[in-house]
Amino acid sequence: GENVEQHPSTLSVQEGDSAVIKCTYSDSASNYFPWYKQELGKGPQLIIDIRSNVGEKKDQRIAVTLNKTAKHFSLHITETQPEDSAVYFCAASKDSGYSTLTFGKGTMLLVSP
Amino acid sequence: GAVVSQHPSWVICKSGTSVKIECRSLDFQATTMFWYRQFPKQSLMLMATSNEGSKATYEQGVEKDKFLINHASLTLSTLTVTSAHPEDSSFYICSARWEDRGVLFFGEGSRLTVL
Repeated sequence: GENVEQHPSTLSVQEGDSAVIKCTYSDSASNYFPWYKQELGKGPQLIIDIRSNVGEKKDQRIAVTLNKTAKHFSLHITETQPEDSAVYFCAASKDSGYSTLTFGKGTMLLVSP
Repeated sequence: GAVVSQHPSWVICKSGTSVKIECRSLDFQATTMFWYRQFPKQSLMLMATSNEGSKATYEQGVEKDKFLINHASLTLSTLTVTSAHPEDSSFYICSARWEDRGVLFFGEGSRLTVL
């Protein structure tokens, strides 16, 4: 089955800096890659997703890049703010999202003022 | 974005009682919903896949007689933890798939504490 590795497990940055979280996947058939943000005591919130027919997608301060050949994808957050502090999960799925999602283990991002 | 409502957000119960958690998709229909369990500082562990009008599919190691799932309509799935014990204390999260886009949206989670 699919295996998703996520790094780093924790990431501390200063406000205004950029943050990058990286994930690798094992199943070359995976073609849908969402990112979720989970604040303490809450459910995960979808923040951005990408499908394998594109290499990069942006939404304001966040962007995701995908390298199908290397089977890795990354989340980039620019101009970080304290409210960006949360746990971020990457995930991978086949069938354009209609198969079960496999999650990474999460990255705890701490943005210091 | 699409909204998934989960209720209750927290519940405390005595050992041996049963607890029901509801998951509703508020502005879209969800043929498929998922139930996860999350331990502190860990990732989401898929418990079961809930399909409207049919029996749920449970992941290996999940007791289907203990975690009863019902998906009676296109907007509602319920998880009942039967004869709860302290080891069932956890954060339970549901999600619903927006079929038109193949995108998964999550509820806010339910914190279960069994005394």
